[in-house]
Amino acid sequence: QVHLVESGGGVVQPGRSLRLSCAASGFTFSTSGLHWVRHAPGKGLEWVAVIWYDASNEYYADSVKGRFTISRDNSKNALYLQMNSLRVEDTAVYYCARDWGVGATFIDYWGQGTLVTVSS
Amino acid sequence: DIQMTQSPSSLSASVGDRVTITCRASQRISTYLNWYQQKPGQAPNLLIYTISSLHSGVPSRFSGGGSGTDFTLTISSLQPEDFATYYCQQSFSFPFTFGPGTNVDVK
Repeated sequence: QVHLVESGGGVVQPGRSLRLSCAASGFTFSTSGLHWVRHAPGKGLEWVAVIWYDASNEYYADSVKGRFTISRDNSKNALYLQMNSLRVEDTAVYYCARDWGVGATFIDYWGQGTLVTVSS
Repeated sequence: DIQMTQSPSSLSASVGDRVTITCRASQRISTYLNWYQQKPGQAPNLLIYTISSLHSGVPSRFSGGGSGTDFTLTISSLQPEDFATYYCQQSFSFPFTFGPGTNVDVK
């Protein structure tokens, strides 16, 4: 079965960087698009970024464009989110999620999330 | 960007009730409308994709409908495990956007 496990969350000061990882198993990683979605405390879900199955395309939410970078390593079944210039408003649980197709269909499975807290 | 709205923002219901949640997109999104359920402290789960297709393992009391810009999620007979927040999401274009959510709680 599809299994996604995020790691790398923690407490970080505004302006600093953090890198999230997601370890995947239970499906053919190299043929699936992958997303990051976040859930800030007391707010709704916010889609963050997507990367195509072969890393040929990436898209970002306007709120993170230019600061966050999504990447993947198909040899390690791993997804990453490099977060730079972090802001207090980036505080959220970050979910790794699988696309049903190559990257532009819909999210069908989610990890359990990792909490990122941006605070001085 | 496509904006998604939901109504109501919250509702109170009893076990056995029929519940309908509405989602509206700011432009036509063809069939690219999905519904997710999230319980407190848990990850979201896919319920319905492309307007009306039921995800694997999802009970048949959940159904989706609509077209163009207006869509619905219906729970035919609310069960205790269905008290949760429900989100619609468009996957017509990037950035994918979610509705603000509808919280279904106990009456």
